[in-house]
Amino acid sequence: RKEVEQDPGPFNVPEGATVAFNCTYSNSASQSFFWYRQDCRKEPKLLMSVYSSGNEDGRFTAQLNRASQYISLLIRDSKLSDSATYLCVVNQVSGAGSYQLTFGKGTKLSVIP
Amino acid sequence: DAGVTQSPTHLIKTRGQQVTLRCSPISGHKSVSWYQQVLGQGPQFIFQYYEKEERGRGNFPDRFSARQFPNYSSELNVNALLLGDSALYLCASSPTGDGYGYTFGSGTRLTVV
Repeated sequence: RKEVEQDPGPFNVPEGATVAFNCTYSNSASQSFFWYRQDCRKEPKLLMSVYSSGNEDGRFTAQLNRASQYISLLIRDSKLSDSATYLCVVNQVSGAGSYQLTFGKGTKLSVIP
Repeated sequence: DAGVTQSPTHLIKTRGQQVTLRCSPISGHKSVSWYQQVLGQGPQFIFQYYEKEERGRGNFPDRFSARQFPNYSSELNVNALLLGDSALYLCASSPTGDGYGYTFGSGTRLTVV
């Protein structure tokens, strides 16, 4: 089983649509959680951290369920500029004190006019 | 302020050759991590350095090595290149390397022929 699994995608949605991304992780000792966004042939950029209480940033809402090891991202009122690959990321700590970001494969979103 | 700087941006090498990739972190950041991103996959952890000490290593062969200098810049070396080493190599800079505040450089795209 992969450490971080995401919807395979791609998602093609019209402007204004609501789109949801789902992610599961296998390591219950994972400490922190993030969604990153990666544009084509660019570096990943932090979209938002994810907390158990749920958090919102404008049109974006992220949720974490530690019991089921599940992370979600909801984008409301999709814009053309939201087209990108969305990466689910889990931060794990090794015994040696190394913090390692483990990335999912990513889900590509295309917002269509 | 300058972001994370990686050099070179693109590189073509022949199988069996050696390559050195360079990363300059954001000023004041003491941690550098290296990731490999193969086309169609999420980034995969290679190394983490903090205060010039190796903190962690991912599941990569000994052909991969790295170091961090007193000015916190870092080099990633790959020996005996294989075709499968073709990827985007990303450097992430952070203040403390605890998973938060990571900023990625734009990467070095390595092609092995």
